[in-house]
Amino acid sequence: GENVEQHPSTLSVQEGDSAVIKCTYSDSASNYFPWYKQELGKGPQLIIDIRSNVGEKKDQRIAVTLNKTAKHFSLHITETQPEDSAVYFCAASNTGTGFQKLVFGTGTRLLVSP
Amino acid sequence: NAGVTQTPKFQVLKTGQSMTLQCAQDMNHNSMYWYRQDPGMGLRLIYYSASEGTTDKGEVPNGYNVSRLNKREFSLRLESAAPSQTSVYFCASSEPRAGRFTEAFFGQGTRLTVV
Repeated sequence: GENVEQHPSTLSVQEGDSAVIKCTYSDSASNYFPWYKQELGKGPQLIIDIRSNVGEKKDQRIAVTLNKTAKHFSLHITETQPEDSAVYFCAASNTGTGFQKLVFGTGTRLLVSP
Repeated sequence: NAGVTQTPKFQVLKTGQSMTLQCAQDMNHNSMYWYRQDPGMGLRLIYYSASEGTTDKGEVPNGYNVSRLNKREFSLRLESAAPSQTSVYFCASSEPRAGRFTEAFFGQGTRLTVV
């Protein structure tokens, strides 16, 4: 089955810096890669996703890149702000399957200091 | 506009006690899920219900039972709580589409401590 590894487990940056979180996956059949943000005391919330027919996707200060050959994908946050502080999860699945097949990474705690 | 509501938000149990975690969604979704979240282990699926009247095991079902009470509600029961079940539990729901992946919406979680 699919296995998703995520690094680093914690990341501290200064406000305005960029942050990068990396994930690798094992199943070459996976073609859908979402990222979730979990704020303190809340459930995970989808912030951006990418499908394997594209290499990069941007949404304002957030971008995801995918290297299908190397089986890794990354989340990039530019101009970080204190409200970006949260736990971020990557995940992998196949677009032909149900949500129950989604495999999550272990999470990265991002701390943005003013 | 509540989305997915979980009760209680916090609970402390003694080893061997039983309890039921409640989950309700108001989005008319057919599928519902229970996850547990442990430090360094991400989210792991306990059970899910693809539609009303059906339930299936996920990755870590041992020690848990579930009931899909109706389309809105999906409960998780711990019959005899163990310290290893100390975790944060999340319920989620989604509206599946045949042959297509659809995203789910999560509740705010229940933090359970078993002492």
